[in-house]
Amino acid sequence: GEDVEQSLFLSVREGDSSVINCTYTDSSSTYLYWYKQEPGAGLQLLTYIFSNMDMKQDQRLTVLLNKKDKHLSLRIADTQTGDSAIYFCAESIRSGGYQKVTFGIGTKLQVIP
Amino acid sequence: NAGVTQTPKFQVLKTGQSMTLQCAQDMNHNSMYWYRQDPGMGLRLIYYSASEGTTDKGEVPNGYNVSRLNKREFSLRLESAAPSQTSVYFCASSETRGGRTDTQYFGPGTRLTVL
Repeated sequence: GEDVEQSLFLSVREGDSSVINCTYTDSSSTYLYWYKQEPGAGLQLLTYIFSNMDMKQDQRLTVLLNKKDKHLSLRIADTQTGDSAIYFCAESIRSGGYQKVTFGIGTKLQVIP
Repeated sequence: NAGVTQTPKFQVLKTGQSMTLQCAQDMNHNSMYWYRQDPGMGLRLIYYSASEGTTDKGEVPNGYNVSRLNKREFSLRLESAAPSQTSVYFCASSETRGGRTDTQYFGPGTRLTVL
């Protein structure tokens, strides 16, 4: 079955890089996502990577995908206090007539000024 | 575009009361979803609607019903609320077409407390 695991908490100093890691179990994933959730808000899509890619860069965000190890990471360069939030990793699998998305429990990123 | 909107934002119910959570999207998406978010458990799918006129159970459907009123609207009903249904509920939508990303876009959530 599908399972997505992430660490619960990460603390970094402002200006440093943050790396949030995620592992997943289903090798038939089509897309893998990173969502950001700020306090009291819904989930906001940050970036996604197609399963046949190994890296995607988008401004301060770098996503690395290791399909062999089923490992996904999100690197945030020059982390700012506004990056403090919960980050969810998710995998997407085509299941019947819809795209089934399984979420991890979220990693809370704390940025220390 | 407003994206995905949900009402109400907050709700307190007594055990046994009923209520309907409303969700609407203005992105002309085919698919819509209801999730609940509980501490330490991530998001769990309650029900989804792959297209207008169809609904299917997700991972945790017990105690809930849904209606896909039209392409825009997807409501979630609690017929007899229980304290175990205290949670934050998120509605999401996605465009379901072959070869597209099918990225899900989320509403701001409804925070429900059942006493």
